[in-house]
Formats: sequence, C-alpha cells, structure tokens
Amino acid sequence: AQRVTQPEKLLSVFKGAPVELKCNYSYSGSPELFWYVQYSRQRLQLLLRHISRESIKGFTADLNKGETSFHLKKPFAQEEDSAMYYCAPAAYSGAGSYQLTFGKGTKLSVIP
Amino acid sequence: NAGVTQTPKFRVLKTGQSMTLLCAQDMNHEYMYWYRQDPGMGLRLIHYSVGEGTTAKGEVPDGYNVSRLKKQNFLLGLESAAPSQTSVYFCASSSSGGSYEQYFGPGTRLTVT
Repeated sequence: AQRVTQPEKLLSVFKGAPVELKCNYSYSGSPELFWYVQYSRQRLQLLLRHISRESIKGFTADLNKGETSFHLKKPFAQEEDSAMYYCAPAAYSGAGSYQLTFGKGTKLSVIP
Repeated sequence: NAGVTQTPKFRVLKTGQSMTLLCAQDMNHEYMYWYRQDPGMGLRLIHYSVGEGTTAKGEVPDGYNVSRLKKQNFLLGLESAAPSQTSVYFCASSSSGGSYEQYFGPGTRLTVT
C-alpha cells in the first residue's frame, strides 16, 4: 500500500531559524513528489514539485531515494511561512491518471 | 478567472438526507477530483474524473456518487447521509495527471447530525 508519513503534527521555530519539514513515503516505483501549503483562510495550493527542481519562497525539497524521503527545507524562517504543509506523492493509477496521496500535514508556526 | 468554485460553502444535513455538492472550474481542465478532509487527517481522494463522461473511484468512495456530464462541472452526491460523512470536502482540477498542479476550491463544510 502507498503511504506517506509526516512525523510532526506541529513544528514551532523562531523567525530566522532554519526549517525542515519531514516527509517519508512508501511507494513502489518512482512517484512524483509535491509539497502543498494552506495559509490561514486560503485555499490549498502547490508550493513546489520535485520534477521542477525549483525554489519557491525560499523553500527547497530534496528527494532521497535511498531513504525514500522528500524533506522540505528553508534556511531562514519568516512569519509569513506559518501555515499547514502537506507532502503529496503522486503515483500512476492506470488509464493515464495519477493520484495524489496526502500526508496528514505539519503545522508550521514561526515565532516572531 | 474564478478558478475552482464550490457550492454550497456550508451545509447541515440530517441522517438519511441526500444532497449534491457542485464543483465548477473555468480553466478547461480535463481532470477533476473530490477529496474529504477530517481532523488530524490529510486529504483523502473520494472520486476523480479524467475527462467528461468518465469517473473513477479513489481511496474512500463508499457512500458517494459522482457525475461529470459537462467538462467544467463535477458533482458529488450523498444519497443517504451518515454522521461519518461529516467533513470538509474539497474539489480540485488539473490540466492532466502526473506532475501537473492541482488547483483547489475553497471547500464545503458538511455536518451530518
């Protein structure tokens, strides 16, 4: 069965401190990997995807196939980073479609 | 562009009642999805559609039905609501599967008493 684990429900860091949100997945094959974010009173939205190798709002995510992890990192946290973060691998489910499986989420709180 | 919209925003049902949630998107996306989100859980896929006239089951399809008669609309039906279906329901759409971004609606908060 496909599983994704975000071990921390809540992560509190001080402004300016580094942030690492952990994500481990258990998938057969090579899933595509995403991080989604939900800011207070806003819709869930894509933060970044592995395939793009991009850095969004200072966040990066490194895929470690050996550890099956896709941790989200930012060197210096800002107050506006406070939000709920979801790791979401996408696996092929047949007939040309992919399904996202969302982790339970980590609430990041940045303390001023 | 409105993006993805959901109707209604809130609803309270009694056990056994039926209702339909409407999702509409104006981005000409092929793929549409219905998720539910419960406290302490991630989003779980109920049903999805890869194109007009097609639907498929997701992770938690029991108790729900869907229809995609028009490309821009994806309906989620509860024929006989149960308290276990109390949840926040999110609709999403994407231009394709795979590495394509899913765009989410604002959610519908449903309470079944």
